Amino acid sequence: QKEVEQDPGPLSVPEGAIVSLNCTYSNSAFQYFMWYRQYSRKGPELLMYTYSSGNKEDGRFTAQVDKSSKYISLFIRDSQPSDSATYLCAMAPSTSGSRLTFGEGTQLTVNP
Amino acid sequence: ETGVTQSPTHLIKTRGQQVTLRCSSQSGHNTVSWYQQALGQGPQFIFQYYREEENGRGNFPPRFSGLQFPNYSSELNVNALELDDSALYLCASSSKRGAEETQYFGPGTRLLVL
Repeated sequence: QKEVEQDPGPLSVPEGAIVSLNCTYSNSAFQYFMWYRQYSRKGPELLMYTYSSGNKEDGRFTAQVDKSSKYISLFIRDSQPSDSATYLCAMAPSTSGSRLTFGEGTQLTVNP
Repeated sequence: ETGVTQSPTHLIKTRGQQVTLRCSSQSGHNTVSWYQQALGQGPQFIFQYYREEENGRGNFPPRFSGLQFPNYSSELNVNALELDDSALYLCASSSKRGAEETQYFGPGTRLLVL
């Protein structure tokens, strides 16, 4: 069983939709949670990070962590065609000096 | 832009050959990590270097090795290439701000092994 499970999609939504991306994990040692966005043929770009249960908001993006359920989510409001990319969740046991364990990524397309 | 650069952008090798991939980190980033990303998969941790010493390794054989230099550059070397080594190789550099350390990725080197 993989330590981090992520639905690979593909996910296709109309412009303006609310997008929900999710990951589950099995390793209770994970305390630091990140979302990366990866455009085709580019490196991953850090979108958000958090290390506590609850919600964290940044513009149109909201990251949600539920440690009791080992479940994290990324919500994108008012989605735009420029949001079309692969979204990767990543986790680590601590905020410092740790290897990141990634999900396999969800491919998102936002249609104009 | 993350300030992390990698070279070359693309590379084609044949099975059994050796390859060296390079990464240049942001100034002041004393930790560099290397990841392998197969097509359609998330990145897999290869190893990490901190102040020029290996500081953790993932589930990769010894034919994957690395070096980190004082000028914030690093190398990933792969010997005896296999077809399954075809992937995007990413380096990520990081530095601490208080208790937090965030990894910033370069654009990657796409390796094809024939």
